Amino acid sequence: AQKITQTQPGMFVQEKEAVTLDCTYDTSDQSYGLFWYKQPSSGEMIFLIYQGSYDEQNATEGRYSLNFQKARKSANLVISASQLGDSAMYFCAMREDSNNAGNMLTFGGGTRLMVKP
Amino acid sequence: ETGVTQSPTHLIKTRGQQVTLRCSSQSGHNTVSWYQQALGQGPQFIFQYYREEENGRGNFPPRFSGLQFPNYSSELNVNALELDDSALYLCASSLGTQRGNEQFFGPGTRLTVL
Repeated sequence: AQKITQTQPGMFVQEKEAVTLDCTYDTSDQSYGLFWYKQPSSGEMIFLIYQGSYDEQNATEGRYSLNFQKARKSANLVISASQLGDSAMYFCAMREDSNNAGNMLTFGGGTRLMVKP
Repeated sequence: ETGVTQSPTHLIKTRGQQVTLRCSSQSGHNTVSWYQQALGQGPQFIFQYYREEENGRGNFPPRFSGLQFPNYSSELNVNALELDDSALYLCASSLGTQRGNEQFFGPGTRLTVL
């Protein structure tokens, strides 16, 4: 089974509107971390937001918030007030704390977000 | 800018050749991870080095090998290149291997195998 699933290959959003990018995950670990990264066409992975499995509150970082629903194993990214510069690939990733590879990340297939002016 | 640099930026090789990719980690970071990102896919973990020792490996064959140097910079070596090795290779550095130690990614090396 896929550990990280991103079901939206591509999304359009109007500038200044909010958009939600979906991510579901699969793990038997009790302790894990969930990450969102942005990848512009230049290729560099830019860290956006982190949610720990034991964190009771949803993470927020500026215009980014993570809608964490543990029972549903979902960790959706919400971007408020979209900007043209938000157009990029977005990846959801998970770190499982039981694995032996330190802080190895498992990534989903990504969602391409396109912001329309 | 994360302070993680990779060289070269682009590389073209032919099948069967060998390649070495380099990564300079962020100052003070002692852990480097390497990822392979095929076109249109998410990155896949290759291996991680912590204080010059391999600290975990993904599902990649032994012809993918690495090194970490005393200054914590790192190399990824791929022998007997195959067409499917064409990808963006990303390295990420962090301080330690414990959870909560955020990984900072470099800009990647784009490898094309012909």
